[in-house]
Amino acid sequence: DIQMTQSPSTLSASVGDRVTITCRASQSVFNWLAWFQQRPGKAPKLLIYKASTLETGVPSRFSGSGSGAEYTLTISSLQPDDSATYYCQQSSTYPWTFGQGTRVEIK
Amino acid sequence: EVQVVESGGGLVQPGGSLRLSCLVSGLTFSDYEMNWVRQSPVKELEWVSNISSSDSNIHYVDSVKGRFIISRDNAKQSLFLQMNTLRVEDTAVYYCVSGRNCPNGVCNSAASFQYWGLGTLVVVSS
Repeated sequence: DIQMTQSPSTLSASVGDRVTITCRASQSVFNWLAWFQQRPGKAPKLLIYKASTLETGVPSRFSGSGSGAEYTLTISSLQPDDSATYYCQQSSTYPWTFGQGTRVEIK
Repeated sequence: EVQVVESGGGLVQPGGSLRLSCLVSGLTFSDYEMNWVRQSPVKELEWVSNISSSDSNIHYVDSVKGRFIISRDNAKQSLFLQMNTLRVEDTAVYYCVSGRNCPNGVCNSAASFQYWGLGTLVVVSS
């Protein structure tokens, strides 16, 4: 199985900060990489798919990049509404797998 | 507006069975691959299974192979998960999630996991 490792596990940043979350796969996932946001008590929400394509309706401050086995989610200017846990997920090889999550807190 | 509504969760003893259902509206269900994803009490997300739009292709995570069966009824816009021989470690919130849009078996977008239900809680405990 492809293991997905996110870093950091938790981060605390101020409103307006640029925030970066990294997701490393145990092997190449060929850009079949998605990012999700989950707020407490809610279902995950798709932010980005195919490594860098922004889902319709998602604010443009979210962006994704990367290739091969290493990918990044960037929030260009952190907003209070962005307090949540973020997960990466690969759909290159079955079984599809998720990262362990990165909790983003607002200072 | 797309709506995804799961049902069928509950408390069951180890070794027991449950059947989850998912009713989808607001999209052409028969065009979409569909997935079940679960989230454990410690919040880890795990993809469980998926089924192609015509149910010709099915995949499972190893931990549920031989115990869970995914199926769909396109006429009723419904997805199902028959869960047998349940284990304590199957305790989770189970989400029904849309997959790729593949009308006539041809996928026209890489977007997947766009639409999620609220989830249904399955607790396996004695």
